[in-house]
Amino acid sequence: DVKVTQSSRYLVKRTGEKVFLECVQDMDHENMFWYRQDPGLGLRLIYFSYDVKMKEKGDIPEGYSVSREKKERFSLILESASTNQTSMYLCASSLDLPPNQPQHFGDGTRLSIL
Amino acid sequence: KQEVTQIPAALSVPEGENLVLNCSFTDSAIYNLQWFRQDPGKGLTSLLLIQSSQREQTSGRLNASLDKSSGRSTLYIAASQPGDSATYLCAVRTSGTYKYIFGTGTRLKVLA
Repeated sequence: DVKVTQSSRYLVKRTGEKVFLECVQDMDHENMFWYRQDPGLGLRLIYFSYDVKMKEKGDIPEGYSVSREKKERFSLILESASTNQTSMYLCASSLDLPPNQPQHFGDGTRLSIL
Repeated sequence: KQEVTQIPAALSVPEGENLVLNCSFTDSAIYNLQWFRQDPGKGLTSLLLIQSSQREQTSGRLNASLDKSSGRSTLYIAASQPGDSATYLCAVRTSGTYKYIFGTGTRLKVLA
């Protein structure tokens, strides 16, 4: 079974802090994704990565950056946290080829910015 | 631009009923469509994935169908149980992209 592990289930940080969310997958997947989920807005893609050190902006990348130094780990960074970044953050991974592969999700990190 | 819609947004049914959840998408050029379940405060659990060349997939009491030409998928749940209560989401991966586009989900409540 694929396992996608997010480092924290709940996190509380203060405005202006630099915040790191970590995600690790154990199935040698090429693709990794960061989403945020908000009531009424569904899941929105922040960033994705299709290989080590490769990244692409998603639909809402402003205020975020990512790092993928190793294939199994994909980090989401909030450079200067703001209250509007309070949300549920979900990490996912998938194989790249063939292109009809399923996404596998972690349990999510509920982040509160005070 | 791919858009995914799920109707209804919420559904409440008595235990034992068979039910159908709907997912529609605007661009029929897709690699696959995936159905997920999400329990409150948790991540997404994959239920079924239908490849673009397939018409349906089954797992236990769940059956998902895909009609690409009309841009529709349905998730059929047979003999619903209170443990099926959750939010169900569908997502499509459009051909030529890495991205998955999600619907906003159907919140299902099965009453004992």
